[in-house]
Amino acid sequence: GAVVSQHPSRVICKSGTSVKIECRSLDFQATTMFWYRQFPKQSLMLMATSNEGSKATYEQGVEKDKFLINHASLTLSTLTVTSAHPEDSSFYICSASDGSGFSYNEQFFGPGTRLTVL
Amino acid sequence: GIQVEQSPPDLILQEGANSTLRCNFSDSVNNLQWFHQNPWGQLINLFYIPSGTKQNGRLSATTVATERYSLLYISSSQTTDSGVYFCAGRNSGNTPLVFGKGTRLSVIA
Repeated sequence: GAVVSQHPSRVICKSGTSVKIECRSLDFQATTMFWYRQFPKQSLMLMATSNEGSKATYEQGVEKDKFLINHASLTLSTLTVTSAHPEDSSFYICSASDGSGFSYNEQFFGPGTRLTVL
Repeated sequence: GIQVEQSPPDLILQEGANSTLRCNFSDSVNNLQWFHQNPWGQLINLFYIPSGTKQNGRLSATTVATERYSLLYISSSQTTDSGVYFCAGRNSGNTPLVFGKGTRLSVIA
């Protein structure tokens, strides 16, 4: 299946700093990538849909000025958490679909980034 | 949008037992996937199954699209099967998957 990578896997930062998370599709091109957030013992909640070459679409309640999303190429999307606060501590997961082949609708997920804001 | 419900929320099994996890969805789907989230948080794709039946080793899944549900079968469970199982669906185009709340499975030796 298709492979999605994320970097970093874990980050600890001080309150007020910004953190950038990269999501890459390694062996396919993804015109659309998705960003999810997961709090402990909860399900994945969609934050935004990232489209290559255009502005991201944010879910209701997600601050677009705090969570900056850039989809610079068909294989890279970034999520920047600006002026992070302890309540932003969470597990962030990106996903993408290949868009081709037999299971063209199948979504593949990155390994996630665990953010801890002190 | 589509809503996804999973049952049971928690399940404890003795090693070697079989189990069935259920996923109900509120609308027709063009994508239904089952995942296993391992202890490190990685979502492992188990099945892409908008309809029909698939099998992979001790796991199999069936989606009855007309009745809006999917089942995940785990046979001869092992301790390594422990973790959270999610189903997720979407009903149009390249829209994002909507996740159920998951089934937390614990397999004890």
